[in-house]
Amino acid sequence: KAGVTQTPRYLIKTRGQQVTLSCSPISGHRSVSWYQQTPGQGLQFLFEYFSETQRNKGNFPGRFSGRQFSNSRSEMNVSTLELGDSALYLCASSLGTPRNGYTFGSGTRLTVV
Amino acid sequence: SQKIEQNSEALNIQEGKTATLTCNYTNYSPAYLQWYRQDPGRGPVFLLLIRENEKEKRKERLKVTFDTTLKQSLFHITASQPADSATYLCALDPLSGSARQLTFGSGTQLTVLP
Repeated sequence: KAGVTQTPRYLIKTRGQQVTLSCSPISGHRSVSWYQQTPGQGLQFLFEYFSETQRNKGNFPGRFSGRQFSNSRSEMNVSTLELGDSALYLCASSLGTPRNGYTFGSGTRLTVV
Repeated sequence: SQKIEQNSEALNIQEGKTATLTCNYTNYSPAYLQWYRQDPGRGPVFLLLIRENEKEKRKERLKVTFDTTLKQSLFHITASQPADSATYLCALDPLSGSARQLTFGSGTQLTVLP
């Protein structure tokens, strides 16, 4: 069974640009969550989508947005990139209940220069 | 404010010994507590989940305890092996309505020495 696929794996962008990251969840999983991981702040929750609806949002500025498509694939977008947005962005999929934990992708390493 | 602490940033143990990692939380009422393993450059891998009304959960060489009175979870790896070397993260899930959100600790980097 295929795991969670995130593309691209690595990305280098310039300050002020915008970026779109993609996540394909495990087949049958309707919940997709996004997390940002940095050495200083650790793993921080960005948002969660379930059946194309955003159910929860973390404490991040409006420059961070996302969406989910009818096939459960999800994208997150960061506009007006800042140096501090450099991080590993992780996508996690689940059935939508906590009983079986989350399956994470390998992440997208974003570097803002 | 809500806070999750994992006992130490790094833990070194000898192969064959039992590794014990601690996760403490404050100002939080989690319904579920989860443990993940993360290797460098990879996403976390789910290991075990324990509910607030469960005291202990086991899976092969892994054991997790959950004490909601002490607000603490202990994660044990018995007969540890060098392949167990990784960063271990605890995560709390408050089960607030239908919204799903994990709050992670900062992790403990475990090194098992041969």
